[in-house]
Amino acid sequence: EAGVAQSPRYKIIEKRQSVAFWCNPISGHATLYWYQQILGQGPKLLIQFQNNGVVDDSQLPKDRFSAERLKGVDSTLKIQPAKLEDSAVYLCASSLRGDRDRVHNEQFFGPGTRLTVL
Amino acid sequence: AQSVAQPEDQVNVAEGNPLTVKCTYSVSGNPYLFWYVQYPNRGLQFLLKYITGDNLVKGSYGFEAEFNKSQTSFHLKKPSALVSDSALYFCAVRDMGTGTGFQKLVFGTGTRLLVSP
Repeated sequence: EAGVAQSPRYKIIEKRQSVAFWCNPISGHATLYWYQQILGQGPKLLIQFQNNGVVDDSQLPKDRFSAERLKGVDSTLKIQPAKLEDSAVYLCASSLRGDRDRVHNEQFFGPGTRLTVL
Repeated sequence: AQSVAQPEDQVNVAEGNPLTVKCTYSVSGNPYLFWYVQYPNRGLQFLLKYITGDNLVKGSYGFEAEFNKSQTSFHLKKPSALVSDSALYFCAVRDMGTGTGFQKLVFGTGTRLLVSP
């Protein structure tokens, strides 16, 4: 079974530029997550999709970050314009489902995209 | 809101010795707790989880974790450490998401484990 794919693996940009990250989840996984992991901290959820709908974006800085999951499969996360504090690893994860079902579905993580903003 | 705390930034242990990586939790209701490991330039890998049942949970790569309700702890353990266990370890708790009803994970700050030969 193929895992979660992310690209690019590394990106260096100057502040005020824009950048986009791509994620392809495991086939059949309805739930997709984007996390931000700043150096020395644990991953923080930015946005969660169930199929192609957003179910939680409470921690997404909406003035500069956007994400979409068209057709309920691949997803892109965009930052525009980037700030120095956006330097982090951006992790994508997927799970079979993430709804009210009491059975926890394991989240599978991609390798991440390391973003450096200069 | 649910949260976990990892009080140690780094744990050092010699190969062959037992290891413990600490985690305490703060939740309302029954806790769903997890351990993940992160190797350099890799994503997080699931190690084990506690949902209900036995307080001692066994997971991947010989790791286990002990759930202690009275101490609100979920420490990760391994009887005999390997150099290859050196990595970053994260404790996490399931949060049902205020107002959304959807599951999400809330992670601790991570503990770096260094196993010396």
